[in-house]
Amino acid sequence: DAGITQSPRYKITETGRQVTLMCHQTWSHSYMFWYRQDLGHGLRLIYYSAAADITDKGEVPDGYVVSRSKTENFPLTLESATRSQTSVYFCASSQISGMKTQYFGPGTRLLVL
Amino acid sequence: TQLLEQSPQFLSIQEGENLTVYCNSSSVFSSLQWYRQEPGEGPVLLVTVVTGGEVKKLKRLTFQFGDARKDSSLHITAAQPGDTGLYLCAGADTNAGKSTFGDGTTLTVKP
Repeated sequence: DAGITQSPRYKITETGRQVTLMCHQTWSHSYMFWYRQDLGHGLRLIYYSAAADITDKGEVPDGYVVSRSKTENFPLTLESATRSQTSVYFCASSQISGMKTQYFGPGTRLLVL
Repeated sequence: TQLLEQSPQFLSIQEGENLTVYCNSSSVFSSLQWYRQEPGEGPVLLVTVVTGGEVKKLKRLTFQFGDARKDSSLHITAAQPGDTGLYLCAGADTNAGKSTFGDGTTLTVKP
């Protein structure tokens, strides 16, 4: 029962570099989500996807790119990392958006120097 | 953008005390969820409330959804150190296909 996994768990990068965070779920859930969590801001939605090849912007999408070529994978790319993107990133999946449980991964802690 | 306000932001109590955490919004939600998050981990669902006025109990935790489906509360009876964590509420907007999270209440229960 692998569930939902994220990699890497920790990442240090420099300003201007491209970084890709990976998310993989084994449940064939339709919906997948990317959030960032900063102190005092709870969880803020970056992007979400209702199915393969369908993605939508969330609350804070600027500076991020997503793709969903396969149902089980939902990578998040920071095209040119900035210090303000230092955060903890959580991926989640759900069988049906809204009404059903969102299952969260363990998070990726990203530090941009 | 639908906003959810949680209060208090921080709460520190002694073991055995009761507490209530609030989640308020000016928007109506089709359902509302409460999650608990421990340090270094992702949030884990505690409960989903769907019907206005609904009350759900989970051992020492009581969840209530407001009649107008704009607010919710979480009451913990006889808190224990194991209840320590970040409690997050999330309102579901089924039409938009996503949920909005509050900023959370950080609860510390001292033995």
